[in-house]
Amino acid sequence: AQSVTQLDSQVPVFEEAPVELRCNYSSSVSVYLFWYVQYPNQGLQLLLKYLSGSTLVESINGFEAEFNKSQTSFHLRKPSVHISDTAEYFCAVTEGYGQNFVFGPGTRLSVLP
Amino acid sequence: EAQVTQNPRYLITVTGKKLTVTCSQNMNHEYMSWYRQDPGLGLRQIYYSMNVEVTDKGDVPEGYKVSRKEKRNFPLILESPSPNQTSLYFCASRVGHNYGYTFGSGTRLTVV
Repeated sequence: AQSVTQLDSQVPVFEEAPVELRCNYSSSVSVYLFWYVQYPNQGLQLLLKYLSGSTLVESINGFEAEFNKSQTSFHLRKPSVHISDTAEYFCAVTEGYGQNFVFGPGTRLSVLP
Repeated sequence: EAQVTQNPRYLITVTGKKLTVTCSQNMNHEYMSWYRQDPGLGLRQIYYSMNVEVTDKGDVPEGYKVSRKEKRNFPLILESPSPNQTSLYFCASRVGHNYGYTFGSGTRLTVV
């Protein structure tokens, strides 16, 4: 069964600094990968996804993630963060049809002024 | 507006009193799922459904039941709630197996 590890439970960073949130997964087959964001007191919103094709995927608000099959990773990056990016970020994986959709434990990003 | 609607948003109940959390989606999605979110544990899947009358256990199904009699609805039933089921619950739906989930706003359940 697949699983997801997010090594950092909390990441504090200053505004306009770059950030990387790490995600590693465990699976023996091809996977689909997702990043979700949860703002305080809200539900989860899909940020970006990797299904196939280009290993670099981008979101509309400046985040990007790169799928690395050899390292089984899907790290999330942003070159310059804003205060409004403060939220919890979840990485998720599914092996496809009929399979569980598994989330990691989450990384709380705190952007400091 | 395309959305997943779950009710109630907040619920306080007593141990052993049966309750149902409703979930409805208006996007004609095939897949639906229930998750619970606990601090430090992220989201854990309780049950999921791939279509009407097709459900399967997730990672933490004990103490929960679900049904999928219609495509749009996927209620979560706690027959005899216990305090360890105090949590934030999310319903979600997705159109197919290679798509992400759309989430509801959550139900915060407290069992005393």
